[in-house]
Amino acid sequence: QMQLQESGPGLVKPSETLSLTCTVSGGSISSSSYQWGWIRQPPGKGLEWISNVFYSGSTYYNPSLRGRPTISVDTSKNQFSLKMRSVTAADTAVYYCVRRGLRPERFDLWGQGTVVTVSS
Amino acid sequence: AIQMTQSPSSLSASVGDRVTITCRASQGISNDLGWYQQKPGKAPKLLIYAASSLQGGVPSRFSGSGSGTDFTLTISSLQPEDFATYYCLQDYDYPLTFGGGTKVEIK
Repeated sequence: QMQLQESGPGLVKPSETLSLTCTVSGGSISSSSYQWGWIRQPPGKGLEWISNVFYSGSTYYNPSLRGRPTISVDTSKNQFSLKMRSVTAADTAVYYCVRRGLRPERFDLWGQGTVVTVSS
Repeated sequence: AIQMTQSPSSLSASVGDRVTITCRASQGISNDLGWYQQKPGKAPKLLIYAASSLQGGVPSRFSGSGSGTDFTLTISSLQPEDFATYYCLQDYDYPLTFGGGTKVEIK
């Protein structure tokens, strides 16, 4: 049974780059049946979609984040990653890595989430 | 971006009640809508996809309906484990957008 696990620093300084990795276990990231993505949730607030990636490298981003995120896939490690540059306190959130089933589309598998705090 | 307006933002209900949550899209999204349940401190869980398809393992008291711009999540008989926050998500077009959430509380 496939599982997702986020990893990365829990504390990032303002103006620096947030880096998170999601490790996929129990299955291959190189499946044509899925996209992989990131969703975040600021404290006490709702959910915000950040980005999706296909194993071939096709990427999709939320334009509200003004070009700051970069998503990538490492098929050799069965991992995908998120980098977000120039972070501010507004980027403080729980970050979830997710699997998006295709046709029909749905986020059918979620990691447990990792808390990222932006503070000096 | 497609705006998803979810209502109500919160509701109080008793065990056994029938509960209805609605989501309205700012433009037509066919049936590309999902419903997610989130309990405190936990990741969201998929309940319904493609507006009305029940995700495997989800109790049949949950159902979804709608197409175009108006969608509904119904819990036919609320159970104690159903007290949570529910979100809709449109999967029709990028950027993918969530509704603001509905918190279902115990009356």
